[in-house]
Amino acid sequence: ETGVTQTPRHLVMGMTNKKSLKCEQHLGHNAMYWYKQSAKKPLELMFVYSLEERVENNSVPSRFSPECPNSSHLFLHLHTLQPEDSALYLCASSQDPLRGEAFFGQGTRLTVV
Amino acid sequence: GQNIDQPTEMTATEGAIVQINCTYQTSGFNGLFWYQQHAGEAPTFLSYNVLDGLEEKGRFSSFLSRSKGYSYLLLKELQMKDSASYLCAVNNAGNMLTFGGGTRLMVKP
Repeated sequence: ETGVTQTPRHLVMGMTNKKSLKCEQHLGHNAMYWYKQSAKKPLELMFVYSLEERVENNSVPSRFSPECPNSSHLFLHLHTLQPEDSALYLCASSQDPLRGEAFFGQGTRLTVV
Repeated sequence: GQNIDQPTEMTATEGAIVQINCTYQTSGFNGLFWYQQHAGEAPTFLSYNVLDGLEEKGRFSSFLSRSKGYSYLLLKELQMKDSASYLCAVNNAGNMLTFGGGTRLMVKP
């Protein structure tokens, strides 16, 4: 048990579908993140929320839309995705801004068909 | 820009010692992390270095040289369960980590 829970663990969606990924952290952290992990590529930071405000958007396409309703929950809304968006999407949280140690969820394995 | 380099793959024998290197060039530096990631699982925190020198934690040690932009992770008494990817990550500003591509370590009997 990591303290950061992601659902669903696996998702297959068509290019015209709309779906959402959910992340919940039980660690009392103030910052939450979405990362994308594709095969043979480094983990890519997508979004950062600190105290429920978005502080970083790494030029992610608008078909990915994050939402952070409170410090414990983070969503990633998906619509009209492309096959190249198939990847492992990892949520993480951290408490200490100076150290930035991140605790990761198990990830959602997304396949776009 | 940010650049973090580490070898793609390494192979070692059970019981041996292996060193995984990481070099970085980042616009700022606020600490370097090593994470372990087994296939299909979440990355888990291994170590954190912000000052030069060696940090030891059981079978794992991590070294940092800020002047050289260099770190390594040392794994002793390798076990089969150590087969995993090892991710080097730099905290370059505030709450953000930039990751290297990861080193996939295969431990053989």
